[in-house]
Amino acid sequence: GQQLNQSPQSMFIQEGEDVSMNCTSSSIFNTWLWYKQDPGEGPVLLIALYKAGELTSNGRLTAQFGITRKDSFLNISASIPSDVGIYFCAGGETSGSRLTFGEGTQLTVNP
Amino acid sequence: DTEVTQTPKHLVMGMTNKKSLKCEQHMGHRAMYWYKQKAKKPPELMFVYSYEKLSINESVPSRFSPECPNSSLLNLHLHALQPEDSALYLCASSQGDRKYEQYFGPGTRLTVT
Repeated sequence: GQQLNQSPQSMFIQEGEDVSMNCTSSSIFNTWLWYKQDPGEGPVLLIALYKAGELTSNGRLTAQFGITRKDSFLNISASIPSDVGIYFCAGGETSGSRLTFGEGTQLTVNP
Repeated sequence: DTEVTQTPKHLVMGMTNKKSLKCEQHMGHRAMYWYKQKAKKPPELMFVYSYEKLSINESVPSRFSPECPNSSLLNLHLHALQPEDSALYLCASSQGDRKYEQYFGPGTRLTVT
């Protein structure tokens, strides 16, 4: 099946720093999504991207759908302690309704 | 309202028990999903219901039996589970034209003893 390579696997940053994480694939996706998951909770949808080259913001979060449709990145500006969690990228296949998830990026923010 | 609710929050069951997980959404979504998630791993798709019909079964063992009584409800019936089935079980839903924007519930933490 399709696979997403998400990096980095984990990040330890100071409050106020900017963060960048990305996902790459050998296959084309029609949709890229970014989710955040807090411990003991379900993933929360942060941003959905539908067009190659699209750049979308949601508050301090910015995500882009790569031109080749094989990659996406997520930036978080001016991190705060509540940004702590696991961030998952996900790609929507060209047909069907399956999401392929990356392995996640564990973010730790030190106050 | 983008809320998906799941009950119970936690469940401990023996290998001979029969139990059910419940999921409900009132967003008018016509696709509903069951995922299994192990610690520090991404969710793994188990089942997809589209317009109340099972459309995807990811080769899940028969000890997991899904049911969609109506467009708002999704159940997962559990029977004769194994300890390795212990995990967080997540329900999600999505609209037809935005099917990849899946909204997840908080999950049921299942422990099989």
